[in-house]
Amino acid sequence: QVQLQESGPGLVKPSGTLSLTCAVSGYSISNTQWWSWVRQSPEKGLEWIGEIVHTGSTNYNPSLKSRVTILMDKSKNQFSLNLSSVTAADTAVYYCARNDFYSQDYWGQGILVTVSS
Amino acid sequence: EIVLTQSPATLSLSPGETATLSCRASQSVGDTFSAWYQQKPGQPPRLLIYGASTRATGIPDRFTGSGSGTDFTLTITRLEPEDFAVYFCQQYSSSPPQYTFGRGTKLQIK
Repeated sequence: QVQLQESGPGLVKPSGTLSLTCAVSGYSISNTQWWSWVRQSPEKGLEWIGEIVHTGSTNYNPSLKSRVTILMDKSKNQFSLNLSSVTAADTAVYYCARNDFYSQDYWGQGILVTVSS
Repeated sequence: EIVLTQSPATLSLSPGETATLSCRASQSVGDTFSAWYQQKPGQPPRLLIYGASTRATGIPDRFTGSGSGTDFTLTITRLEPEDFAVYFCQQYSSSPPQYTFGRGTKLQIK
């Protein structure tokens, strides 16, 4: 059974960098699927952040592209999200998910990240 | 960027009734790229429908997705108590590659 689990700091200071990791179990991230980060806030709703595939290729939401980096560590079967220059508007629940058939079929439980000093 | 407009924002129905949820895209998208999700409080979204009309694994046949072009519909028949939740539509666009979500329809018990 595919399982995803987000981890990382729940509090990040303004202008800092948000860093999260998604550990995947029950499935190899070296397979052909893409892997996504999605966030959710009351203000913006669900917002797709970006995706990565086993070759290291990435796609990012154009609205966040200048601040986002997604990386993959195949040896640990996990992928990560870095979002720089954060502001209060980046406060959200962050999810990692597996892509399949142009949708996300498996999701982590989510992690709340608050941007505050 | 594709903008997805879901309607109604809130839908009040009773168990046993049929719910019809709408999602309109600002530009035409391929049927392959349309999906629907259900979300309950404190939980991640759950994939219901992909490719506009294909039910995801374990989704009962009370859930039906339809539509094409710019207009997509999720129909839920014989509403069960566990169906009352928020529903989101999603579209994928390939140029540039990105996913967009609607703001959701809250299905609540009348």
